[in-house]
Amino acid sequence: DGGITQSPKYLFRKEGQNVTLSCEQNLNHDAMYWYRQDPGQGLRLIYYSQIVNDFQKGDIAEGYSVSREKKESFPLTVTSAQKNPTAFYLCASSGDSYNEQFFGPGTRLTVL
Amino acid sequence: RKEVEQDPGPFNVPEGATVAFNCTYSNSASQSFFWYRQDCRKEPKLLMSVYSSGNEDGRFTAQLNRASQYISLLIRDSKLSDSATYLCVVNAETSGTYKYIFGTGTRLKVLA
Repeated sequence: DGGITQSPKYLFRKEGQNVTLSCEQNLNHDAMYWYRQDPGQGLRLIYYSQIVNDFQKGDIAEGYSVSREKKESFPLTVTSAQKNPTAFYLCASSGDSYNEQFFGPGTRLTVL
Repeated sequence: RKEVEQDPGPFNVPEGATVAFNCTYSNSASQSFFWYRQDCRKEPKLLMSVYSSGNEDGRFTAQLNRASQYISLLIRDSKLSDSATYLCVVNAETSGTYKYIFGTGTRLKVLA
């Protein structure tokens, strides 16, 4: 089955620690995205990548980093510099930059 | 003014009712439009893309009004299982880059 997987589903982190969220897709999509969703708010773009080895900052990139070494994979690192990291993180992919996106099941990060 | 605006609801409707949601967008250069459904604590799932000529999928009808810059979603014969948050998504080119802009969603509760 084609799709997007994210792991882990739930993640707990102590303050001051970096954590990496995994996102893998087998849809052969070029574009991949990371969003953050907070209660009662819309999705906010963290980073996106339109091709391998290239990525751009979204609207709220501070305190996050990404890599895109393979087409299938777009991991997100939440660094200790992110001041309020507790949120629901969603990874998405699309075949191009303007058609529909497909989302992974999300990772719920809680900072203790 | 927000780039994409939706009435947050909730819309409480009885089973079998017809309900309509609107979503307004501010960028007149917006290229593509989508409705997603998001269940509580789950990822958004594509409900339908919205085409200029309007489109229908079973009980769901989506329409685009470029002149007034809004899209709509009509749900006929509401089912209990339609209870969810409906996200409006607009894709627009800004400074040579396509971006997806998400509304904050409209909550629908279908009551028995």
